[in-house]
Amino acid sequence: DVVVTQSPLSLPVTLGQPASISCRSSQSLVYSDGNTYLNWFQQRPGQSPRRLIYKVSNRDSGAPDRFSGSGAGTDFTLKISRVEAEDVGVYYCMQGTYWPFTFGQGTKLES
Amino acid sequence: EEQLVESGGGLVQPGGSLRLSCVASGITFSPVWMHWVRQGPGKGPVWVSGIKSDGSITKYADSVKGRFTISRDNAKNTLYLQMNSLRVEDTAVYYCVRTIGMDVWGQGTTVTVSS
Repeated sequence: DVVVTQSPLSLPVTLGQPASISCRSSQSLVYSDGNTYLNWFQQRPGQSPRRLIYKVSNRDSGAPDRFSGSGAGTDFTLKISRVEAEDVGVYYCMQGTYWPFTFGQGTKLES
Repeated sequence: EEQLVESGGGLVQPGGSLRLSCVASGITFSPVWMHWVRQGPGKGPVWVSGIKSDGSITKYADSVKGRFTISRDNAKNTLYLQMNSLRVEDTAVYYCVRTIGMDVWGQGTTVTVSS
């Protein structure tokens, strides 16, 4: 299975300041169709996960534009330009290139 | 409103069975892949199973292969997960999730396996 590793696992943040989460995969996530199936999810306390970013850098409708995704191959990053109080929660990256799909361990964003 | 609503969870003894259902409303269902993803207490999500739009391809995590069966009824906009030979480690919230890209998640249904 493809192993997806996030860092840090805990991220204390200051409201209004930027934050960044790293995600690395054990092998390249480039699929045969040329796409890279790396998604980012946010899970607020007591809620279901919600997708923020798909295929590395595409922001979902409804996801604030302060969230951005980047990266290629095996190294990926989720950035929040200015953290707001509603951003507190756990963030997961997930690879959808290889079966079985696998998630990172999660990064807990704490204010 | 786009919605996926799961049901069928509950308390079951080890070795028992449950059948989960997920009804889609206000959302495209029949032409897309669907998945079940579970999340154990205090843990991250884990992909469990997926099924192609027409049901012709199914995929399973090794941990559930041979015990769980995913299926769908496109006429009823409903996804199913038949879970047999349940183990304590299957205890989790089970989410129904839409498309290969996992763009829409249900609210989850809780499965507790305990004696």
